[in-house]
Amino acid sequence: QVQLVQSGAEVKKPGASVKFSCKTSGFTLTSYYMHWVRQAPGQGLEWMGIINPSGGSTTYARKLQGRVTMTRDTSTSTVYMELSSLRSEDTAVYYCARGNYYAKFDSWGQGTLVTVSS
Amino acid sequence: QSALTQPPSASGSPGQSVTISCTGTSSDVGGYNYVSWYQQHPGKAPKLMIYEVTKRPSGVPDRFSGSKSGNTASLTVSGLQAEDEADYYCSSYAGSNGGVFGGGTKLTVL
Repeated sequence: QVQLVQSGAEVKKPGASVKFSCKTSGFTLTSYYMHWVRQAPGQGLEWMGIINPSGGSTTYARKLQGRVTMTRDTSTSTVYMELSSLRSEDTAVYYCARGNYYAKFDSWGQGTLVTVSS
Repeated sequence: QSALTQPPSASGSPGQSVTISCTGTSSDVGGYNYVSWYQQHPGKAPKLMIYEVTKRPSGVPDRFSGSKSGNTASLTVSGLQAEDEADYYCSSYAGSNGGVFGGGTKLTVL
């Protein structure tokens, strides 16, 4: 069955960076697009960006450009997302999601909580 | 890219129908037939309920249906059941801007 297993919770200081992992199984990673979505406490969902695992091309949400980097390792069927220059507003649960190019997300990871606090 | 507009709350009694709206622009909802709807229970990851405006993934009850008119998409839940109580989010493809979500609607089953 399709599984997306994300890395564990993190606590970071403002200005630091964090790198998330999302290990996939049960499907061929290069046959899908992978997205990252975050959800601040008590808030709605926010699309962060997309990576095509086949070639590695990416598109990021405008407000995050310059701070976010998405990569993949097809040998381990894992996708990664790094967010830099963290600020308190980045405190959120971060999800990886399998989908297509047209922002359909059909399977989700369990989420990773990142807390940014001094 | 601004979030899509959803009502913050909706409610209905068991067995009734409720419709949740999702309003965007011609650059997202109105420009493409790539609107999806997600159900999220507290502490859980979202679940895909509707994609490409009207399509249901395997396993989603046919009580859930989607539609679109102009820049507004809608999710209708018929025959409300207690387990339908959750947050619902719409999303749309937004061209070069990628994806965009609505602010979410809390559905209460009275």
